[in-house]
Amino acid sequence: AQSVTQLGSHVSVSEGALVLLRCNYSSSVPPYLFWYVQYPNQGLQLLLKYTSAATLVKGINGFEAEFKKSETSFHLTKPSAHMSDAAEYFCAVIRGQGNLIFGKGTKLSVKP
Amino acid sequence: DAGVTQSPTHLIKTRGQQVTLRCSPKSGHDTVSWYQQALGQGPQFIFQYYEEEERQRGNFPDRFSGHQFPNYSSELNVNALLLGDSALYLCASSPDEGTNYYNEQFFGPGTRLTVL
Repeated sequence: AQSVTQLGSHVSVSEGALVLLRCNYSSSVPPYLFWYVQYPNQGLQLLLKYTSAATLVKGINGFEAEFKKSETSFHLTKPSAHMSDAAEYFCAVIRGQGNLIFGKGTKLSVKP
Repeated sequence: DAGVTQSPTHLIKTRGQQVTLRCSPKSGHDTVSWYQQALGQGPQFIFQYYEEEERQRGNFPDRFSGHQFPNYSSELNVNALLLGDSALYLCASSPDEGTNYYNEQFFGPGTRLTVL
């Protein structure tokens, strides 16, 4: 069965520093993977998705993620953090017909 | 385009009561999914509706039921509320395009349910 594990419930970075949020997946079939962001008191917004077309996926707001089959990972990165990036980030995998399985989330704090 | 809308935004109920949450999908979307997000957790899939039928269901008891109307809007009903049902309930819509299971799901802002 497909699942994802997010390492680190809370990550803190300084403004301008590299952002790295970790996600490992478990899947018996080629997975479709997603990163979503949730700002306080809001729903989820799609950052990017991997659908096997390319291993390096670029998303919105300068985020990107690389699919590494050998490491079963799909980590999210951004070269330079901005204060507006402070939010909770969720990695997810598709199961069945559009059934998203989410990780527990990583809360990103950005220090000035 | 208003995107996915949900009502109400907040709701307070007592144990044993019943609740109905509503969702209007994004224009052009015909598939609606419901998720429960407990505090500090990721969303958990409840069920998905397509063509007014429940197409998939997650690991939730029968107290959770739903409905989809001909205009694709949807309701989530929860009977015999428990304290543990307190959560943010998210609705997501997507277009159904055959086997494109990776279609983006657009989420609404959610309904915050508190059970006392």
